[in-house]
Amino acid sequence: DAGVIQSPRHEVTEMGQEVTLRCKPISGHDYLFWYRQTMMRGLELLIYFNNNVPIDDSGMPEDRFSAKMPNASFSTLKIQPSEPRDSAVYFCASGGLAGDEQFFGPGTRLTVL
Amino acid sequence: GDSVTQMEGPVTLSEEAFLTINCTYTATGYPSLFWYVQYPGEGLQLLLKATKADDKGSNKGFEATYRKETTSFHLEKGSVQVSDSAVYFCALEAGGYNKLIFGAGTRLAVHP
Repeated sequence: DAGVIQSPRHEVTEMGQEVTLRCKPISGHDYLFWYRQTMMRGLELLIYFNNNVPIDDSGMPEDRFSAKMPNASFSTLKIQPSEPRDSAVYFCASGGLAGDEQFFGPGTRLTVL
Repeated sequence: GDSVTQMEGPVTLSEEAFLTINCTYTATGYPSLFWYVQYPGEGLQLLLKATKADDKGSNKGFEATYRKETTSFHLEKGSVQVSDSAVYFCALEAGGYNKLIFGAGTRLAVHP
């Protein structure tokens, strides 16, 4: 398996633009997580899914952020409109059974100018 | 609520030195505990884990023991290498929902 795949790896955009980040989890994993990492806040869980259903979105900072998982092999995190304070590295991770290891993707580095 | 506290970094060591990174937690119930490592430019990867009190997790020369009485899960390695330079995250999973709570991370730099 290729592991968790994220795209793009780097994104530079201007304030106000829509940004869509993509994730393909490891086949067979039932859980999918979106995290954000910044120097100031560290690693934050934004939202996670179980069997394509959002379970906990309490970490989503604002209504500008939305996430979907239309099927077991694909998820998106969208920011609309983007702001400079959204600049961060966004990680997607997937996992199998509860309490088991989470496998992280390489991340998307987002810069909003 | 549940939380994880790690010692602040950066930690700078010479090669072959002994490493300790402290981690304490607050949780209701009996969480599973993890150490993840992040190498430069990469995502996090699991280093070791322990699921119940007195369990010892180990991998690549790193060890950590789940201490319920002190609510701690300190990471240790007897002899670090330059290749161990990375950021180390302590985490807990509680409630059986696969949701991890991470500490702030501790950056380790090992010099030859």
